[in-house]
Parts: sequence; C-alpha cells; structure tokens
Amino acid sequence: SQKIEQNSEALNIQEGKTATLTCNYTNYSPAYLQWYRQDPGRGPVFLLLIRENEKEKRKERLKVTFDTTLKQSLFHITASQPADSATYLCALAPGSYIPTFGRGTSLIVHP
Amino acid sequence: EAGVAQSPRYKIIEKRQSVAFWCNPISGHATLYWYQQILGQGPKLLIQFQNNGVVDDSQLPKDRFSAERLKGVDSTLKIQPAKLEDSAVYLCASSLDMGVSGSSYNEQFFGPGTRLTVL
Repeated sequence: SQKIEQNSEALNIQEGKTATLTCNYTNYSPAYLQWYRQDPGRGPVFLLLIRENEKEKRKERLKVTFDTTLKQSLFHITASQPADSATYLCALAPGSYIPTFGRGTSLIVHP
Repeated sequence: EAGVAQSPRYKIIEKRQSVAFWCNPISGHATLYWYQQILGQGPKLLIQFQNNGVVDDSQLPKDRFSAERLKGVDSTLKIQPAKLEDSAVYLCASSLDMGVSGSSYNEQFFGPGTRLTVL
C-alpha cells in the first residue's frame, strides 16, 4: 500500500542551526511533492513545491531536495529561528491529482 | 486579500447528533476542498468541488457525510449522525483552479478549520 513517512518524534534544535526534516514514501510515483507549515489551531500554509524532474528547490532560508531513486525528500531550514517552530507536512501527488499528506514532523527551535 | 473563512471554529456535540460546517473560499477561486485532520495525522481529502460540481468524493463517507457548494461559492459540510471517530479538525481550502498544468501550480489556501468534538 502507498505510504508517506515523516518522523513522528519532534525535532529539537538550537537557534541558528540548520533543521533537516525527512519525508520518505513507498509505492508512489509522485509527479510533485510539496511542503507545508502548520501552526497550532491553523490550517497548513504552502511553502514549496518540487517536481519529479527537479533535484533541489530553494526559497530564502528553505531548501528542498527530491530523490526519486531513494524515494525521499529532505526539507532544510538554515539559520533556524524560534519563529520557525511548527509542524511541517509533506504531501505527494501523482500528476494533477490532489496531494496526499504525511502526518507531519514537529520542529522546535530553542533560543 | 481575505483568506478562507470557516465557521464555527469549535463545535461539541453528542454522538448521533447532526452538525454542519460552513466555508467561504477566497474570492475568484473555482476549486474548493474539504479535508478531515485527525489529531496527530495529516489532512485527508474528503471532497473536492470545481465551481459547483463534485470532482472527487471518493473518501467521503456518504452514509453520514454530505457536502454542497451552491452557486459555486460558499460550501457546507454536514455530518448526520455523528460518531465518536468523527472528532477531528475539518479544514476547507480553495485554489484558483485544480491540479498542476505546465509550469503553473494552483496553490491551495487553507482556512483555520473547525474543531469538532463528538462525545
């Protein structure tokens, strides 16, 4: 069966360090992968999209990689700040279909 | 630009009761989605509308859930009768259009959600 795996344990890091979150998937052939941020009591907010033929995408302090051979995406936040503390969700979609979300990983950045 | 509006923000009901949620998407957005997010899980799509037509409702429990989008703008999601396992946050999202085409992507904008507790 199709599965999207994100680390259920919270990631705790110190301010200024780079946070790296992982999204692994099985039995998918996604055309694209997205990363969202979700704060408590709020809906997800779209951050980045990366297509199957792209290796890396950057946006300000964010970087996403997509390895379709390893079936893995890595999401990096450089120079992390306490304001980056949130849950980060990855979502995969085949073609033009609506993405399926992972359960998310909580990031806690300590000052 | 105003975001996606949802009401109520919180609802507590007893099992077997009925409940309805309302969503007002961003003006001009043709596509509207309802998601269910159970605590500790990612959002799960329940139904997708394109204007006032249903595109995908394959994961909607149709024996108890129903949704409509009259006039292609606002939408309501109803649960009747509610079960304990329906306790979740119900998220509404909208996008200009659906899917991915060429170099464009129609980003989904989510509302704050309605937290439903079924006792």
